[in-house]
Amino acid sequence: GAVVSQHPSRVICKSGTSVKIECRSLDFQATTMFWYRQFPKKSLMLMATSNEGSKATYEQGVEKDKFLINHASLTLSTLTVTSAHPEDSSFYICSAQSPGERTDTQYFGPGTRLTVL
Amino acid sequence: KQEVTQIPAALSVPEGENLVLNCSFTDSAIYNLQWFRQDPGKGLTSLLLIQSSQREQTSGRLNASLDKSSGRSTLYIAASQPGDSATYLCAVSQGGSEKLVFGKGTKLTVNP
Repeated sequence: GAVVSQHPSRVICKSGTSVKIECRSLDFQATTMFWYRQFPKKSLMLMATSNEGSKATYEQGVEKDKFLINHASLTLSTLTVTSAHPEDSSFYICSAQSPGERTDTQYFGPGTRLTVL
Repeated sequence: KQEVTQIPAALSVPEGENLVLNCSFTDSAIYNLQWFRQDPGKGLTSLLLIQSSQREQTSGRLNASLDKSSGRSTLYIAASQPGDSATYLCAVSQGGSEKLVFGKGTKLTVNP
């Protein structure tokens, strides 16, 4: 149980385009999902917390207009990187919290490798 | 601000060896500490979770200890196998926010 998927697993795009990444909880309803970013040899950094039916809460320093998060259903959250630039190239990982469990009990997706040319 | 440090950054050992990975954190007011495994280009798999009131947790060949007062945790892997090769991440959650703060990880290579 508690499986989280991400799509796509890899994406390459041109600078200036927008890219959408999907995060799905496959066998449970996730009221809260999290988006992380991981640079090579760096820590996972929390970007934002996504709650179903409400606006996402962004961490300090993360541009909400650039990283659009939509949590439209209890099983799906999307991250859209708008007007992507090479510096946005990174590994993006989502996680989901199962209802009734603490926030630090998160189930992680397999990640999405974004490369912006 | 909580900071989590893991040393060494990389470790290479021969198969069968016992090894210890280290994690330290600056703010001892944590709720719990977790060890995760990350395979290349993949997501995270939770290995062990230690509550702040606990001293250690064991799962198979893995044993994690926690010394909250000194801000340290260790992950002990017994009889290492090539399949243990991965990056091991340590993360703490604060009592108030419950957010996870991660270290940079230790990349482990177990050579056959």
